[in-house]
Amino acid sequence: GDSVTQMEGPVTLSEEAFLTINCTYTATGYPSLFWYVQYPGEGLQLLLKATKADDKGSNKGFEATYRKETTSFHLEKGSVQVSDSAVYFCALSDLAGSSNTGKLIFGQGTTLQVKP
Amino acid sequence: EAGVAQSPRYKIIEKRQSVAFWCNPISGHATLYWYQQILGQGPKLLIQFQNNGVVDDSQLPKDRFSAERLKGVDSTLKIQPAKLEDSAVYLCASSLVRVVGSPLHFGNGTRLTVT
Repeated sequence: GDSVTQMEGPVTLSEEAFLTINCTYTATGYPSLFWYVQYPGEGLQLLLKATKADDKGSNKGFEATYRKETTSFHLEKGSVQVSDSAVYFCALSDLAGSSNTGKLIFGQGTTLQVKP
Repeated sequence: EAGVAQSPRYKIIEKRQSVAFWCNPISGHATLYWYQQILGQGPKLLIQFQNNGVVDDSQLPKDRFSAERLKGVDSTLKIQPAKLEDSAVYLCASSLVRVVGSPLHFGNGTRLTVT
């Protein structure tokens, strides 16, 4: 079945450092890909998405490009801030195949800690 | 617009007791999901509704978990009897339509501790 794999955390960076969180996926069809973020004490929020190959999703300085050839959707930010400290989840949604109903399938999450 | 509402926010019960969680999705959202998030893991789908019909409950432990969505709006998830391994955050989410690319809107979740 479909699955998502993220890099292990926690990732600890200094403020203004460059961020990459790796995400790869396995899917039956042509899924949409998402990054969700969970700030301490809050619910999951959509950060960005891409619905087809070579699309780039972006929001709040974060970017991710849908790479079909490498089945990847890595999250990047050029200069992180303390306020970016959170747990980041990569996810896919796929309607191909009998078992796929459009639900989100999540990776295990990567904790980001940004120090001043 | 108002977000997805869940209650209670926290619940502590002893094993073998029963518990129920409530979710009110965003108005007009036809699709409703219940996810289980165990500490240190990503959310895992338990059940998905389209209006008041079940679309996917393949990962719902049906011997102890049940869920309903009366009138296609609010939903209740019940656990009876609870086990220690049910300790998790239970997330409710809704989306406007069931199409690829349509984002899910999540509530803040109910944190369940089973002792």
